[in-house]
Amino acid sequence: DIQMTQSPSTLSASIGDRVTITCRASQSISSWLAWYQQKPGTAPKVLVYKASTLQSGVPSRFSGSRSGTEFTLTISSLQPDDFATYYCQQYNSYSPTFGPGTKVD
Amino acid sequence: QVQLQESGPGLVKPSETLSLTCTVSGGSITSYYWSWIRQPPGKGLEWIGYIYYSTTTNYNPSLKSRVTISLDTSKNQLSLNLTSVTAADTAVYYCARSRNYLDWFGPWGQGTLVTVSS
Repeated sequence: DIQMTQSPSTLSASIGDRVTITCRASQSISSWLAWYQQKPGTAPKVLVYKASTLQSGVPSRFSGSRSGTEFTLTISSLQPDDFATYYCQQYNSYSPTFGPGTKVD
Repeated sequence: QVQLQESGPGLVKPSETLSLTCTVSGGSITSYYWSWIRQPPGKGLEWIGYIYYSTTTNYNPSLKSRVTISLDTSKNQLSLNLTSVTAADTAVYYCARSRNYLDWFGPWGQGTLVTVSS
């Protein structure tokens, strides 16, 4: 299995802050990576796929990038609705795997 | 707009079989890939497996010996059977769609909590 790690596990931020979450893959996954946002009691919602493509309807303050096996989700200016847990997911292998999550509070 | 809704028992006894159904509305189940994903309380997400066209399945190697996913095209439903459950199988179970066998997931159902306990 391809292992995914995320850092930090928890991130304390304020409204208007620029927030960066990092996800690393244990081997090359090309750009086959998605980012999800999950709020308590609800299902994850995709924000970004193929490392940097913003899903339709997702605010432009969210962006994704890739450098080798390191991926970054950036929120340019944190809004009240953005306090949530964020997960990365690789889909390069026949057994997709998720990162452990980053909670933004 | 396609919508997914999971249903099934909220409590299952240890060693028994967990059975869930996901009803798909607003689109045909004969297209796309349909997965089950679970999330233990307070923990991360684990992909269980997918099915395509009732003939193609792929399961997480860690669960493969206990999992069966099937489609009922007449009811536009997919099902999950997980045998010999233990407390470690306690989780919120989601169904989700993907456009390909190597893809991201969306949309998702709202999820259903299954607790394994005697």
